[in-house]
Amino acid sequence: GAVVSQHPSRVICKSGTSVKIECRSLDFQATTMFWYRQFPKQSLMLMATSNEGSKATYEQGVEKDKFLINHASLTLSTLTVTSAHPEDSSFYICSARGLAALSLETQYFGPGTRLLVL
Amino acid sequence: DQQVKQNSPSLSVQEGRISILNCDYTNSMFDYFLWYKKYPAEGPTFLISISSIKDKNEDGRFTVFLNKSAKHLSLHIVPSQPGDSAVYFCAASLGGSNYKLTFGKGTLLTVNP
Repeated sequence: GAVVSQHPSRVICKSGTSVKIECRSLDFQATTMFWYRQFPKQSLMLMATSNEGSKATYEQGVEKDKFLINHASLTLSTLTVTSAHPEDSSFYICSARGLAALSLETQYFGPGTRLLVL
Repeated sequence: DQQVKQNSPSLSVQEGRISILNCDYTNSMFDYFLWYKKYPAEGPTFLISISSIKDKNEDGRFTVFLNKSAKHLSLHIVPSQPGDSAVYFCAASLGGSNYKLTFGKGTLLTVNP
């Protein structure tokens, strides 16, 4: 149980285009979803927290107009990187927290999406 | 200001021996701690957690110890297996409505056959 999927797993795009990444909780309802970014050999950096049906809360320094987050249902959240630039190339990981968790603090992570902007 | 610290970037142990991964934190308001395992190009996998009201939690080969006075926790893996080789992240939560996790930088564990 508590499986989270992400799609696509890998994407290459041209500079200036927008890319959408989907995060789905497959076997539980995710009351809260989180989006992280990981640079090589670094820790996971929380970008934003989203609760179903409400606006996402962004961490300091994260541009909300550049990283659009939609959490329209209890099983789906999307991250859209708008007008992507090479510096946006990174590994993006989502996680979900819900009633299936062993505790409300436990987050279950997706497999991640590798974004490369040329 | 890094609130969760994993001071050892890497650890190498022999198969069958004990692996001890350490984590220190600075924020005394953290009330829940988790360990995640991560392979390259994959998302972290939840391993084990512990509430601040406990000092030990065990699950199979994995045991987490919490020393609140020292603001220190550790993950023990015994016996270690080659398949345990991965990056291990320590994370802490303040609780509250968002349940945000603060992660350490990770420790690369290599278990040699």
